[in-house]
Amino acid sequence: GAVVSQHPSWVICKSGTSVKIECRSLDFQATTMFWYRQFPKQSLMLMATSNEGSKATYEQGVEKDKFLINHASLTLSTLTVTSAHPEDSSFYICSALIGTALFFGPGTRLTVL
Amino acid sequence: DQQVKQNSPSLSVQEGRISILNCDYTNSMFDYFLWYKKYPAEGPTFLISISSIKDKNEDGRFTVFLNKSAKHLSLHIVPSQPGDSAVYFCAASGVGGTSYGKLTFGQGTILTVHP
Repeated sequence: GAVVSQHPSWVICKSGTSVKIECRSLDFQATTMFWYRQFPKQSLMLMATSNEGSKATYEQGVEKDKFLINHASLTLSTLTVTSAHPEDSSFYICSALIGTALFFGPGTRLTVL
Repeated sequence: DQQVKQNSPSLSVQEGRISILNCDYTNSMFDYFLWYKKYPAEGPTFLISISSIKDKNEDGRFTVFLNKSAKHLSLHIVPSQPGDSAVYFCAASGVGGTSYGKLTFGQGTILTVHP
């Protein structure tokens, strides 16, 4: 069965609004989760590393004030896209590190109109 | 700067034959390599991995070969099945410390296996 879940699986929002995406590890605790983004016909790009109980670390070029990450518990990390714009439309995927294994969620398709 | 490259955007293979997917990397600090299979609108599914201390790892129909001197790896699927049709991503990471779990992905190769 699924090890990592994401909610919602897809979302459509208006430009300027904020969208929250949840990533949950099922039946295990994950102190570290990762957020990736995939634009059409491109590879997955790491956005940030989410650490339980501490601030997320962002990859170069990713705006931390725009992509807010909260990892408040050992089973939940959230990504909030603030003031979303059409160029933020993408497929957002989280992953959870369990020991040395990395499990990916099913992804969230965000469309900003 | 694409540190992991999959130069073939697509590959078409007959059922029962071998599929060979290729991947090149430029960062010599990469120490661990993985292959993922992905369907549209789904997250990647782990297939097989290899550490830089090895040159081959086999798991059922899947074999990954690593040529460190050439900074090249390949995934062999034999025999190929129609259910293998998907996008295959090559990924690389450093091992240990803050690198663990942070993957750099290639662009993906669409594999189509014809019955």
